[in-house]
Amino acid sequence: DAGVTQSPTHLIKTRGQQVTLRCSPKSGHDTVSWYQQALGQGPQFIFQYYEEEERQRGNFPDRFSGHQFPNYSSELNVNALLLGDSALYLCASSWDSPKGIQYFGAGTRLSVL
Amino acid sequence: GNSVTQMEGPVTLSEEAFLTINCTYTATGYPSLFWYVQYPGEGLQLLLKATKADDKGSNKGFEATYRKETTSFHLEKGSVQVSDSAVYFCALSGVKAAGNKLTFGGGTRVLVKP
Repeated sequence: DAGVTQSPTHLIKTRGQQVTLRCSPKSGHDTVSWYQQALGQGPQFIFQYYEEEERQRGNFPDRFSGHQFPNYSSELNVNALLLGDSALYLCASSWDSPKGIQYFGAGTRLSVL
Repeated sequence: GNSVTQMEGPVTLSEEAFLTINCTYTATGYPSLFWYVQYPGEGLQLLLKATKADDKGSNKGFEATYRKETTSFHLEKGSVQVSDSAVYFCALSGVKAAGNKLTFGGGTRVLVKP
C-alpha cells in the first residue's frame, strides 16, 4: 500500500515565479491537507481539500491556492514567489473525520532565490 | 485560538538515558493529541496518539498520557538509542469546527550520543 507521495522532491525557483507542487494521498483517503514547514520550525497549516473544495484555510495569503482532483490527488500553487516562501511543503492525507489521523508525505523542499 | 507549546531543544542525551519532552496545549473542547517524529531529510511520521483524557499512547518504547487537568501530553522513553535522534513534534487536532487540521508545537530536536 503506497503511502502519501509528493513531487518533486526538491525545487529551486527565483522570486516572482510561480510553482506547482503535487500530492497523491494514501489509498482510501479522501482529504488532503497542506502544511508549510520553515527551517527549524513546526509545520503551519495552509489549507485542506475535501470533495474538490477548499474546506479550511490557515493564515496564508491568496498567493497560495490549491486544487483537488476527482481521484483525490491535490496540487498546491504558489504565485509571485517570495524569498520567505522557501520551506519544506508537506502534504498529509486522511479520512474525512474530525478524529481522522493525518499521514504525511516526505515533502517538497522549495528554495526561492 | 489553539496552540501547542513544547520544550525547546536541542536535548542531548547518552544512549540508554531517560528522555522526557514536555508538551502543553491550549484548546477549547476535547482535542486529540499526537506526537510526530521527523528524521533528517524526511517527512513526519506518527509516533503515538491519544484521543481522550487519561488515554496513554505508546509505540516503540515511547509513551505519553493525555492529562486534561494540566493540559499536557509529555513524551517519555525509558532508554533511548542513537536511532532515536530526530525532531519530535507535539500536535493537536479535532477541536470542533477545526476539523482534523493539526496545530503543531515548534519541535524539539533530540540528539542521542553513543
